[in-house]
Amino acid sequence: GDSVTQMEGPVTLSEEAFLTINCTYTATGYPSLFWYVQYPGEGLQLLLKATKADDKGSNKGFEATYRKETTSFHLEKGSVQVSDSAVYFCALRNTMDSNYQLIWGAGTKLIIKP
Amino acid sequence: DTAVSQTPKYLVTQMGNDKSIKCEQNLGHDTMYWYKQDSKKFLKIMFSYNNKELIINETVPNRFSPKSPDKAHLNLHINSLELGDSAVYFCASSQGLAGSTDTQYFGPGTRLTVL
Repeated sequence: GDSVTQMEGPVTLSEEAFLTINCTYTATGYPSLFWYVQYPGEGLQLLLKATKADDKGSNKGFEATYRKETTSFHLEKGSVQVSDSAVYFCALRNTMDSNYQLIWGAGTKLIIKP
Repeated sequence: DTAVSQTPKYLVTQMGNDKSIKCEQNLGHDTMYWYKQDSKKFLKIMFSYNNKELIINETVPNRFSPKSPDKAHLNLHINSLELGDSAVYFCASSQGLAGSTDTQYFGPGTRLTVL
């Protein structure tokens, strides 16, 4: 079945460091890909998404490119801030799934130190 | 103003009790979901309703029973609570099933602790 694999956390970085959180997927067909973020004590929010190969999603300085050849959707940010500390979830939705269910990665906790 | 709201935010109860968590969305969405997030932050879908009809029912003990009185509400009733039910439960909604790019909007979560 479809699945999403994220790098294990926590990932600890200093402020202004470059961030990469890896995400790879397994799916039939052409899924849409998402990154959600969960700030401490809150629900998940959509951060960015991409719906087809080579699309780049971007928001709040974060970017991720849908790479079909490597089945990846890695999240990047050039200069992180303390306020980026959160748990990040990679997810996919497969158009071949009649329920359009989101398949979630396990989440990666990001800790940014001042 | 809140798009997806859940009550209560915290719930502490004894094993064996029955409890309910309520969810409401004011976005006009057709589809609502319940997720369970365990202590390791792993997110697992439990149920999904579209226009008050159950469409996803993952392997969840039948002690858990969702109820959707209308498409803006999806409540979760849990019977005979067990220690392993302790988790954060998130409600979410999305416009519908028609689009694969549909964004899900999440509530703030209900932290359930079973003693």
